[in-house]
Amino acid sequence: SQQGEEDPQALSIQEGENATMNCSYKTSINNLQWYRQNSGRGLVHLILIRSNEREKHSGRLRVTLDTSKKSSSLLITASRAADTASYFCATDAMDSNYQLIWGAGTKLIIKP
Amino acid sequence: EAGVAQSPRYKIIEKRQSVAFWCNPISGHATLYWYQQILGQGPKLLIQFQNNGVVDDSQLPKDRFSAERLKGVDSTLKIQPAKLEDSAVYLCASSQRGNYNEQFFGPGTRLTVL
Repeated sequence: SQQGEEDPQALSIQEGENATMNCSYKTSINNLQWYRQNSGRGLVHLILIRSNEREKHSGRLRVTLDTSKKSSSLLITASRAADTASYFCATDAMDSNYQLIWGAGTKLIIKP
Repeated sequence: EAGVAQSPRYKIIEKRQSVAFWCNPISGHATLYWYQQILGQGPKLLIQFQNNGVVDDSQLPKDRFSAERLKGVDSTLKIQPAKLEDSAVYLCASSQRGNYNEQFFGPGTRLTVL
């Protein structure tokens, strides 16, 4: 079953703008991860944030986590055409046997 | 470091036929996962192995799907007989226990059942 829900389902922005995607989940987690999927490189891990962290940065990516609201956001700054992809959040729930539970993804299109 | 290898990349079969997918995980990764991803959806876990033992296969349709991981390395996933609704991308992933469960994915096998 899918725990995470990404919002919006689809997002189209101009190159150079910032893109924000949100993820909500249902149960307590150990960590939350964001992955990117495009036709060229398949599913690739982007960033992991632990349940005791509130914000994390990696290059042009910024992830926040609010465990009280059971939600996370992924911000991509200064978007590029190569950022066009689907973005998924995946939660590692407590007592999950090292399983990830996935949302349905946000489809991001960067217009040149 | 070599990534997760999968073959074939594409497969087209008719319903009621059988098909098999192969996966070679990253060397040293004890945990191996098979996912089914239907177009427009997130990956759905089918089966999880820890070394050569099954950790979870609760979402594997066992009447038609089977998987094995002999010697705790390579794995095969089989569908017999295939149904139209099995059309999907089958993803293999592996992870290193204790590494916060970051999973590394292969390119996937796109299965079309006609």
